[in-house]
Amino acid sequence: EAQVTQNPRYLITVTGKKLTVTCSQNMNHEYMSWYRQDPGLGLRQIYYSMNVEVTDKGDVPEGYKVSRKEKRNFPLILESPSPNQTSLYFCASSLKAWGANTGELFFGEGSRLTVL
Amino acid sequence: SQKIEQNSEALNIQEGKTATLTCNYTNYSPAYLQWYRQDPGRGPVFLLLIRENEKEKRKERLKVTFDTTLKQSLFHITASQPADSATYLCALYTNAGKSTFGDGTTLTVKP
Repeated sequence: EAQVTQNPRYLITVTGKKLTVTCSQNMNHEYMSWYRQDPGLGLRQIYYSMNVEVTDKGDVPEGYKVSRKEKRNFPLILESPSPNQTSLYFCASSLKAWGANTGELFFGEGSRLTVL
Repeated sequence: SQKIEQNSEALNIQEGKTATLTCNYTNYSPAYLQWYRQDPGRGPVFLLLIRENEKEKRKERLKVTFDTTLKQSLFHITASQPADSATYLCALYTNAGKSTFGDGTTLTVKP
């Protein structure tokens, strides 16, 4: 089954304790992206990756890191989480970012993170 | 700064009527626009895409229009059903890779 898988789905952590949210897709997609969703602010793009070893900042990259060493995986790293990073996080992928197809994004089920 | 606004947080309509959702944007020159559906606790699901050179797109009971002069997209669901109740998001794409989503409009279709 074609899917984007995020882990963990739920996490409660404390300020400063490094964590990684994993994202994996099995559709051989070139493009992957991370978003956070907060009430009243909608979905905001954190980082995106056009292909392996190519990443770029979205609108709210502060406090986050990403890497794209393999095509299927795009982990989101919070080196020193703070309470303002409490949010619902979504990973998404698309065949390509531009042109060749619709750019349809396939989303994971979300990871709800609480930082105390 | 770039901004997307969806007409209202909530829209309530009667079953069988047409739901019309609005997406307005400023300081953008998008190449294409997408609409997604999001159910509570789930990730968004792609519905339709419309490009800047297209005026209208249809898919079954769904219709999207795109007016780059007004900087507006309208999303219509005809013959609405209670199962259409969800939050609908519009998203704009400009430079390759960067996307911006609206806050969403929550549609409730009452039987």
